[in-house]
Amino acid sequence: GAGVSQSPRYKVAKRGQDVALRCDPISGHVSLFWYQQALGQGPEFLTYFQNEAQLDKSGLPSDRFFAERPEGSVSTLKIQRTQQEDSAVYLCASSLPSPEAFFGQGTRLTVV
Amino acid sequence: QQPVQSPQAVILREGEDAVINCSSSKALYSVHWYRQKHGEAPVFLMILLKGGEQKGHDKISASFNEKKQQSSLYLTASQLSYSGTYFCGTEIVEEDGNKLVFGAGTILRVKS
Repeated sequence: GAGVSQSPRYKVAKRGQDVALRCDPISGHVSLFWYQQALGQGPEFLTYFQNEAQLDKSGLPSDRFFAERPEGSVSTLKIQRTQQEDSAVYLCASSLPSPEAFFGQGTRLTVV
Repeated sequence: QQPVQSPQAVILREGEDAVINCSSSKALYSVHWYRQKHGEAPVFLMILLKGGEQKGHDKISASFNEKKQQSSLYLTASQLSYSGTYFCGTEIVEEDGNKLVFGAGTILRVKS
């Protein structure tokens, strides 16, 4: 497809369950960002890749969060032992790296 | 690190003007503006590079004051389609790459 694709669009997880969120960036885009967006808030930076290298993971809230991009294209954000406070929309964005970042539709995670 | 946006929310009638401000405590490489409608991905509006540049398309324009680390988005003769949440993204230069950090957003509602 032409845009950034994220899957699943919606995910309901029981507390304590592990989840994996997928991001397919635009082909050829070097930079990939993950953001967490709580209801009514702006996207909060989680982590950033340049090709397969994870250059910044300072925004990951705890060691339960892990992201990878092994071949420099598709990325996966994994959350282990999910908790209620993890409920949010997780947005992925890619860029060439600049100037414009294109966002996916996001994955809405609800932890019950 | 998160830029501060003001106002938090604004309600306009069609045809009225609005200004949304964004300020950062960190030195900025560029400022990006996005609009997000409910349940949708943020959509890129424009990017401003350092140098006091002003840009615009249609009736939406923006300015960037690098020294003051501030940007403003100007919406003139607002239309119903302008409704949404506006985010400024500030590009911060770091050793390993540039990071895009978003403000909390400004909710804009245009009434007929």
